[in-house]
Amino acid sequence: QQQVKQSPQSLIVQKGGIPIINCAYENTAFDYFPWYQQFPGKGPALLIAIRPDVSEKKEGRFTISFNKSAKQFSLHIMDSQPGDSATYFCAASRSFAGSEKLVFGKGTKLTVNP
Amino acid sequence: KAGVTQTPRYLIKTRGQQVTLSCSPISGHRSVSWYQQTPGQGLQFLFEYFSETQRNKGNFPGRFSGRQFSNSRSEMNVSTLELGDSALYLCASSSPEAGAETQYFGPGTRLLVL
Repeated sequence: QQQVKQSPQSLIVQKGGIPIINCAYENTAFDYFPWYQQFPGKGPALLIAIRPDVSEKKEGRFTISFNKSAKQFSLHIMDSQPGDSATYFCAASRSFAGSEKLVFGKGTKLTVNP
Repeated sequence: KAGVTQTPRYLIKTRGQQVTLSCSPISGHRSVSWYQQTPGQGLQFLFEYFSETQRNKGNFPGRFSGRQFSNSRSEMNVSTLELGDSALYLCASSSPEAGAETQYFGPGTRLLVL
């Protein structure tokens, strides 16, 4: 049973556009929601993370929006650049000691055209 | 601090063989998790070790095993390799000081089973 559903699978935008990637989760015990960015041949790198006690978090050009009642969260990339072309993964976990297990979405391949 | 390192980076094996992958976590991190990444299944949790003890285990057959040493370095072993074991194996480390749920990934070991 997939516990984190991510959409779309792929996304193409023009430079300066605002790609939006959406994720939905099922387990209400999840309380930590990170986004990872992965370039070909590299491991995933933590981009930004949010907890359910806030509805939005911004770090540079990256923003997470969180809707606890709908069990959904999304990543917005402002002023996207060709260098942002990568695969993005949302994830969820329970943040108590002894539960270092991330459940990942299937990933979104983002292409930003110049 | 140096990041998570994994060796070897690439590996080619034949069916029926066994393989051992190594992971050195970020200095001071005591939790090491292993994930399998494939195009079809995405990122899937294998197991997590903390202070030399396995704390969590994913839904993988017993052919997949691991261990952690007193210096927090971890190894993963796959016995009786199958074609379907071809994947990128990722190791991630975390630390209560950084927030136990914040996992930092290594570059991965790409395993090809022929």
